[in-house]
Amino acid sequence: DADVTQTPRNRITKTGKRIMLECSQTKGHDRMYWYRQDPGLGLQLIYYSFDVKDINKGEISDGYSVSRQAQAKFSLSLESAIPNQTALYFCATSEGGIEQFFGPGTRLTVL
Amino acid sequence: AQTVTQSQPEMSVQEAETVTLSCTYDTSESNYYLFWYKQPPSRQMILVIRQEAYKQQNATENRFSVNFQKAAKSFSLKISDSQLGDTAMYFCALGPSGGGADGLTFGKGTHLIIQP
Repeated sequence: DADVTQTPRNRITKTGKRIMLECSQTKGHDRMYWYRQDPGLGLQLIYYSFDVKDINKGEISDGYSVSRQAQAKFSLSLESAIPNQTALYFCATSEGGIEQFFGPGTRLTVL
Repeated sequence: AQTVTQSQPEMSVQEAETVTLSCTYDTSESNYYLFWYKQPPSRQMILVIRQEAYKQQNATENRFSVNFQKAAKSFSLKISDSQLGDTAMYFCALGPSGGGADGLTFGKGTHLIIQP
């Protein structure tokens, strides 16, 4: 089984809908991250969490919120989705903040 | 703010050739890490190689090696004996963000195509 899993893998939704992307890990890492990838761009950091009680904004957090339900689970929410949030979303984990291990990604389309 | 620049949007070489991908970066941190990630069409992000800034020796992993020039803030990736399976997007990344912040800063990527 994969160490970092993301659900759903693909999602199409409509403008204004609330949507949640979920991430789970079995690596036992303390840190978890959400990134966004747009075509022709690298990954950009949305939010990161050092542990369950420590959540921090990244460079593009506007329009997003997160929840760290447990050490192994980190969810990303779009309260009211808009078309320019159409992108590929990656969850990642790290032990100590050095090497990061990525999930398979979620392709989100907002119509 | 940290920045990572990859100046080659796309490169194409013949199978078995050697290719070098360029990356420059800027950071005010004294202790940091540099990474090359590969993203094949499957879209999975795969770590290729990493370099610790305090280590002068260039990292190597089989056919992959880096040329790390700390003073010039340059971090290039060399792929020897290129293979068709090396076709992918390659991203240079820098971390951590500094000032107690976390996360990686990525370049925009280089699309590498290996021709048969």
